[in-house]
Amino acid sequence: EAGVTQFPSHSVIEKGQTVTLRCDPISGHDNLYWYRRVMGKEIKFLLHFVKESKQDESGMPNNRFLAERTGGTYSTLKVQPAELEDSGVYFCASSPFQGRLGNSPLHFGNGTRLTVT
Amino acid sequence: AQTVTQSQPEMSVQEAETVTLSCTYDTSESDYYLFWYKQPPSRQMILVIRQEAYKQQNATENRFSVNFQKAAKSFSLKISDSQLGDAAMYFCAYPLQYGNKLVFGAGTILRVKS
Repeated sequence: EAGVTQFPSHSVIEKGQTVTLRCDPISGHDNLYWYRRVMGKEIKFLLHFVKESKQDESGMPNNRFLAERTGGTYSTLKVQPAELEDSGVYFCASSPFQGRLGNSPLHFGNGTRLTVT
Repeated sequence: AQTVTQSQPEMSVQEAETVTLSCTYDTSESDYYLFWYKQPPSRQMILVIRQEAYKQQNATENRFSVNFQKAAKSFSLKISDSQLGDAAMYFCAYPLQYGNKLVFGAGTILRVKS
């Protein structure tokens, strides 16, 4: 089966511009997650979709970040306007199971490296 | 709050030798899981090994094993017979019991020398 796919792999934008990251989860996986790693720091949870619904968006940094998952398939994460501190690697992950993550480890994509200059 | 700490930003190992990556965590839960994930350069992050806290036996997956010390809240990863393909960033992670979130450590870069 195809894995989790993220596009683009790299993006370099200027402060104030808009960027949209895309994630295609494994087919049939209802659960989709976004995580972010700022350079040298921990990977941090951003939000969790179950199908097209946002189950938990407690990790979203601020209202410059907008995540969508129309139709419950692929997801987009838009940053508008981008700031310098948004630079980092954005990971998407998916899972077929609801419930405790220990029972169903996540399948991650390669990540999108975002650089805001 | 649950936290995960990886105190080694970078480690090096000679090919065919053994290396241990450290991880400590903090939780008030009694039943939980712990993970080690591996991310090779420019490739996807994959699960290396999983430990269930209620199991006293340390998990093992081929050349990868853990030393799980529940009382000390320590969860180290041992890689035996290191290979060039083991070079990667390794993340220790803890899934929250509620909320479907993983809490990660800052990661350890492992370099393998030939």
